[in-house]
Amino acid sequence: QVQLVQSGAEVKKPGASVKVSCKASGYTFTNNGIHWVRQAPGQRLEWMGWINAGTGNARYSQKFQDRVTITRDTSASTAYMELSNLRSEDTTVYYCARSGTVGGTIFFDYWGQGSLVTVSS
Amino acid sequence: DIQMTQSPSTLSASVGDRVTITCRASQSISSWLAWYQQKPGKAPNLLIYKASNLESGVPLRFSGSGSGTDFTLTISTLQSDDFATYYCQQYNSYPLTFGGGTKVEIK
Repeated sequence: QVQLVQSGAEVKKPGASVKVSCKASGYTFTNNGIHWVRQAPGQRLEWMGWINAGTGNARYSQKFQDRVTITRDTSASTAYMELSNLRSEDTTVYYCARSGTVGGTIFFDYWGQGSLVTVSS
Repeated sequence: DIQMTQSPSTLSASVGDRVTITCRASQSISSWLAWYQQKPGKAPNLLIYKASNLESGVPLRFSGSGSGTDFTLTISTLQSDDFATYYCQQYNSYPLTFGGGTKVEIK
């Protein structure tokens, strides 16, 4: 069965960086994409970017373009999201989610359990 | 960016009711729309993709319709397990965007 298992909760200081991992199992990792979506309490889901796990090509939301880096390690079937220059408003839950890789398949059929990132001095 | 607007934001209903949620896109997205269900403290769960295609394992009481800018999610006979928040998501163009959510509450 397909599973995406994310790393645990993190507490970071303002200005620091955080790197969240998403380990995939139950399917061929390189056949799909991995997206990162965040959700502040009571707020709508917010897409940050994604990586084609096969090609390694990543694409980011313009909102996060200068602060986020999404990578993958195919040998570990794991994707990573690094967010830099953290501020208090980055305190939220971050999800990874799987999609297809071509137009018309970029919806999310499996999700990780979420990783809480808290930014506090 | 394509803005996705859901209505209502909250809906009070009883078990057995027929429930309809609306999602409107700020520009045409063809049929590139998905619907998700989310329960408190959990990740979203895919219900519908390409506007009207039921994801495998999703109960038949869920259905989706629409194209262009206007879409609906219908629950034909509300069950107790359906009390949750529902989100639409467009995947016509980047950045991918979600609606603000519709919370289905017990009346």
